[in-house]
Amino acid sequence: NAGVTQTPKFRVLKTGQSMTLLCAQDMNHEYMYWYRQDPGMGLRLIHYSVGEGTTAKGEVPDGYNVSRLKKQNFLLGLESAAPSQTSVYFCASSGWTGTTDTQYFGPGTRLTVL
Amino acid sequence: QKEVEQDPGPLSVPEGAIVSLNCTYSNSAFQYFMWYRQYSRKGPELLMYTYSSGNKEDGRFTAQVDKSSKYISLFIRDSQPSDSATYLCAMSGRTNAGKSTFGDGTTLTVKP
Repeated sequence: NAGVTQTPKFRVLKTGQSMTLLCAQDMNHEYMYWYRQDPGMGLRLIHYSVGEGTTAKGEVPDGYNVSRLKKQNFLLGLESAAPSQTSVYFCASSGWTGTTDTQYFGPGTRLTVL
Repeated sequence: QKEVEQDPGPLSVPEGAIVSLNCTYSNSAFQYFMWYRQYSRKGPELLMYTYSSGNKEDGRFTAQVDKSSKYISLFIRDSQPSDSATYLCAMSGRTNAGKSTFGDGTTLTVKP
């Protein structure tokens, strides 16, 4: 099992450009999440999904959109990138184990917006 | 005020020391308490989880939850340089769509 994979690993954008980050999981998990991690601010939830075809806003959703057309994939889009979106983005998935929802994280995407 | 507050660190200890990492929280609905370890430039990985109050031990690691005080701890015995990482506490309620609330993390360095 590959677990959770993210594409791309690194990206540099200019202000105003758009891009899509792809997350894929092979654990048949229902729940998927997108976080951003900035120095000193921990993990902040951007959007999440509780199943195929569903999405919901997290703590910091502005400037981002998501889609979950297939159960195994969760896409994060930036329509018009801003320097404030420079961050490390993590995708995670979770499934009920019978005792808890354990989140499995991908390796991250480092995004720089100039 | 944040729902989860974590001792900020950074923490630097000599090899073999006992390490204590701590978080406090304000939401009484939290039932599940997790500790994640994150190595530099990697994604977090689950280290331990506990349900409700009590202790849980796994090798050199012990997770402790005191719901009455809304306080959780992770103890690392005989710390090793390979334990050098950022440790994140996380908490969730049962009916929370699997969402966890994370602390900001404590960076630990274990010096040989």
